[in-house]
Amino acid sequence: KNQVEQSPQSLIILEGKNCTLQCNYTVSPFSNLRWYKQDTGRGPVSLTIMTFSENTKSNGRYTATLDADTKQSSLHITASQLSDSASYICVVTFSGGYNKLIFGAGTRLAVHP
Amino acid sequence: EAQVTQNPRYLITVTGKKLTVTCSQNMNHEYMSWYRQDPGLGLRQIYYSMNVEVTDKGDVPEGYKVSRKEKRNFPLILESPSPNQTSLYFCASSWVGSGYEQYFGPGTRLTVT
Repeated sequence: KNQVEQSPQSLIILEGKNCTLQCNYTVSPFSNLRWYKQDTGRGPVSLTIMTFSENTKSNGRYTATLDADTKQSSLHITASQLSDSASYICVVTFSGGYNKLIFGAGTRLAVHP
Repeated sequence: EAQVTQNPRYLITVTGKKLTVTCSQNMNHEYMSWYRQDPGLGLRQIYYSMNVEVTDKGDVPEGYKVSRKEKRNFPLILESPSPNQTSLYFCASSWVGSGYEQYFGPGTRLTVT
């Protein structure tokens, strides 16, 4: 079954600290993996996208990595800011005959001063 | 400005009273989709449309209808709403050239009493 699992479910860190969020997937075949940021009550916004042949992709203080062999991805946030408080969602595009998006449940990050 | 709009943004209704949530995009995207988001469950796809007059069920289609008569519009119809359809709804659009990056609308918070 095609699934995306994220961990931890929630995380609290202090402002200025780094953190890493995890995404494990069983989706196969897949064409790309994307991380979204969702502020409370708003629609998600794409942060990064990686195809199966890419290992890393950065967007400012956000760096995503992908290991297609172990089917794992991570999102690393450097020097966290209060505005990083949000949910982060991992989405994998299944490409077996048709394109279907498989969503993870998200990690809720709270950055405290 | 490129955007996805939804109306209404907030709606309180009673069980059984038919309602429609509109969704419109101005980016000429061929792919549109509806999601619902409930606490702890993440985003779940209700219906999607690959193009005009082409729609298909997502993961949780029961109790919902959609239509795609024009490329820019993708309304969500609840023929007989029930309390278990109380949720936060998002419409999104995308195109294949972006790897199906979802551009989300602002959300519609629906309460069915």
